Amino acid sequence: DGGITQSPKYLFRKEGQNVTLSCEQNLNHDAMYWYRQDPGQGLRLIYYSQIVNDFQKGDIAEGYSVSREKKESFPLTVTSAQKNPTAFYLCASSSGTGTNTEAFFGQGTRLTVV
Amino acid sequence: GESVGLHLPTLSVQEGDNSIINCAYSNSASDYFIWYKQESGKGPQFIIDIRSNMDKRQGQRVTVLLNKTVKHLSLQIAATQPGDSAVYFCAEKRTGANNLFFGTGTRLTVIP
Repeated sequence: DGGITQSPKYLFRKEGQNVTLSCEQNLNHDAMYWYRQDPGQGLRLIYYSQIVNDFQKGDIAEGYSVSREKKESFPLTVTSAQKNPTAFYLCASSSGTGTNTEAFFGQGTRLTVV
Repeated sequence: GESVGLHLPTLSVQEGDNSIINCAYSNSASDYFIWYKQESGKGPQFIIDIRSNMDKRQGQRVTVLLNKTVKHLSLQIAATQPGDSAVYFCAEKRTGANNLFFGTGTRLTVIP
């Protein structure tokens, strides 16, 4: 099946540790995105990538890093510099920068700092 | 547009009634709009989209209306069912921009 897969579904992190969230898509989409969602709130853009080996900061990039070495993969690292990392993280992809570019979302990773 | 740190507005409707969820956007250069539905603990799912050269688009039980004059978008759900209970987001794509901008979202609760 074509789609976008995030793993793991649940992730626990100790304070001071870096963790990496996986996002893989087999839709042949050029663009990929990471959003953060806090309880009862909307989506905030962390990073996005329009093409392999290129990515741009979103509105809340501090404390996060990404890479885009392959078209299919856009992992997000939550670093120890992110002071409040507990949240629901959503990855999305879209076909590119054309007008009708709906984003397809993964099922999310819930990160909890313990 | 984007709202940070605000709690979701809520809408409660009786099963079988019609629901109207509203969204305001601020950028007149937005040329494409999407409504997403997000169930608890899941990623958002596409419902319906509309381009800026259209005023109305209909799907199965859903209709999106776009009023560019006042920069307003609405989602109408006919004969609302318990399975429609979710958070609904509007998203806009601005001409020349490379990503979608999401609204805060509205939590719809259907009362049986």
